[in-house]
Amino acid sequence: GQNIDQPTEMTATEGAIVQINCTYQTSGFNGLFWYQQHAGEAPTFLSYNVLDGLEEKGRFSSFLSRSKGYSYLLLKELQMKDSASYLCAVRDHSGAGSYQLTFGKGTKLSVIP
Amino acid sequence: NAGVTQTPKFRILKIGQSMTLQCAQDMNHNYMYWYRQDPGMGLKLIYYSVGAGITDKGEVPNGYNVSRSTTEDFPLRLELAAPSQTSVYFCASTNGGGATGELFFGEGSRLTVL
Repeated sequence: GQNIDQPTEMTATEGAIVQINCTYQTSGFNGLFWYQQHAGEAPTFLSYNVLDGLEEKGRFSSFLSRSKGYSYLLLKELQMKDSASYLCAVRDHSGAGSYQLTFGKGTKLSVIP
Repeated sequence: NAGVTQTPKFRILKIGQSMTLQCAQDMNHNYMYWYRQDPGMGLKLIYYSVGAGITDKGEVPNGYNVSRSTTEDFPLRLELAAPSQTSVYFCASTNGGGATGELFFGEGSRLTVL
């Protein structure tokens, strides 16, 4: 099985930078994803890491260390619309050839003025 | 291009009733998934399919059944609904590995069992 941990809630100020951490334990690691989910809506894809290092995409960046089982999502220049839950998800490539995504419980980010 | 379409969006069931949540995708994705999301509990995998005619259990399959007769459709059947099945259900699909293999989600089906 897999175990994915991330903080339950975080609060940050508009215009600031926030880092959301995720730790995981898995066999057959085949990629780590970050999704954003606004209240009452479906998750939407933010970023993907399969190799160690930093992936930057506009105001959002995601980092992965496979040896440490660790990732973080960095949000810069926070805006009120960034208030949402951020889901860390790990993909496992099982022997059956399936690609299963296991999700953490999500981090609810509140951006305050 | 509709992506992943789920119906119904909302439904109230009585204990013991049965129903089917419909999911269809028009992206020719082989992999399809059903997740449920309870408040504060993240997404839990119910069933998944790697292609037409092939399905397998996820983490929380009890009380549910699926079928995959075509690439496009992946309905989820609830038999003998129980209050514990009150949740938001998301269907998702992907083309597999590739560049990212990100999941595309439907809008969700909000089910209440009373």
